[in-house]
Amino acid sequence: GENVEQHPSTLSVQEGDSAVIKCTYSDSASNYFPWYKQELGKRPQLIIDIRSNVGEKKDQRIAVTLNKTAKHFSLHITETQPEDSAVYFCAASPSTGTASKLTFGTGTRLQVTL
Amino acid sequence: NAGVMQNPRHLVRRRGQEARLRCSPVKGHSHVYWYRQLPEEGLKFMVYLQKENIIDESGMPKERFSAEFPKEGPSILRIQQVVRGDSAAYFCASSAMGNSNQPQHFGDGTRLSIL
Repeated sequence: GENVEQHPSTLSVQEGDSAVIKCTYSDSASNYFPWYKQELGKRPQLIIDIRSNVGEKKDQRIAVTLNKTAKHFSLHITETQPEDSAVYFCAASPSTGTASKLTFGTGTRLQVTL
Repeated sequence: NAGVMQNPRHLVRRRGQEARLRCSPVKGHSHVYWYRQLPEEGLKFMVYLQKENIIDESGMPKERFSAEFPKEGPSILRIQQVVRGDSAAYFCASSAMGNSNQPQHFGDGTRLSIL
């Protein structure tokens, strides 16, 4: 089955700096890669996703890149703000048939300091 | 539009009791997924259901755990004879379709505590 590894487990940046979180996956059949943000005690919220037919996607301060050959994808947050502090999870899923379950990474706790 | 609704938000049970967790998907969504999250860990897939059918239960323990998504009403995750190790947050997600054409959106979760 799919295995997703995520690094780093914790990340501290100063407000205004950029943050990068990296994930690798093992199953070459995976072709959908969402990122979720989870604040303490809250639900995971989808913040951006990418499919394997593109290499990069951007939404305001958030961008995701995908390298299918190397089986890794990354989340980039620019101009970080205190409200970006949360745990971020990457996930992978094949999009074919009924195998649509998400396999999550172990999470990155991002702390944005003033 | 209401999102995914889960209840109860918090559930306390003693060892050996039964726990029933409910999930009402986004209106119009017919695909439901259950995930379990242990403290300081990621979410682990448990089961994927469509209306009246279990599609994939590969992540659900064979004993004590069961799930259903009836034609009418919410999806139910049932844990019988709970043990301390069942303490976790259980999240439900729904999507309009059973593939990545429609992303999964999560509810607020049920935090299960076993005394």
